[in-house]
Amino acid sequence: EAQVTQNPRYLITVTGKKLTVTCSQNMNHEYMSWYRQDPGLGLRQIYYSMNVEVTDKGDVPEGYKVSRKEKRNFPLILESPSPNQTSLYFCASSNAPGFNQPQHFGDGTRLSIL
Amino acid sequence: DQQVKQNSPSLSVQEGRISILNCDYTNSMFDYFLWYKKYPAEGPTFLISISSIKDKNEDGRFTVFLNKSAKHLSLHIVPSQPGDSAVYFCAASADNDMRFGAGTRLTVKP
Repeated sequence: EAQVTQNPRYLITVTGKKLTVTCSQNMNHEYMSWYRQDPGLGLRQIYYSMNVEVTDKGDVPEGYKVSRKEKRNFPLILESPSPNQTSLYFCASSNAPGFNQPQHFGDGTRLSIL
Repeated sequence: DQQVKQNSPSLSVQEGRISILNCDYTNSMFDYFLWYKKYPAEGPTFLISISSIKDKNEDGRFTVFLNKSAKHLSLHIVPSQPGDSAVYFCAASADNDMRFGAGTRLTVKP
């Protein structure tokens, strides 16, 4: 089954404690991205990757890091989480390096930073 | 600065009637538009899209209309079904820029 898998689905943690949200896709997609969803703001892109070892900033990259060492994985790293990073996060992938292809989304990770 | 706006946070319609969800954008460089549907505790799923060279795209009960001069697009669902109850996101793209609206929660009442 074609899917994008995020882990964990839920996490409550404290300010300053480094955390990583993993994302893996089994569709051999080149393009992957991370979004956060906040009330009234929709989905905002954090980072995206056009291919292995190629990453770029989206709209709201501050406080986040990513890496793309393998085609299937695109982890999101919060080095020093803060309460304003409490949000619902989605990873997505598509089979073209661009946005004119529908993206496949994971089921989301709800992060609470206390 | 929200470049894609969905001004109606919610919409309620009766089963069998038409649902019309609206979306406005400000960036004239957007050339591709998509609608995603999201159920609770799941990620958004692609529903339908339209290129800026078209003004209409139809897929079963779902039709998307694009009015480039007004920078407006709409999603029509006919007939609406209770299973269509979800949050609908409008998205617009240009090159490597993708923007989403805030979403409209559609409730279809039996």
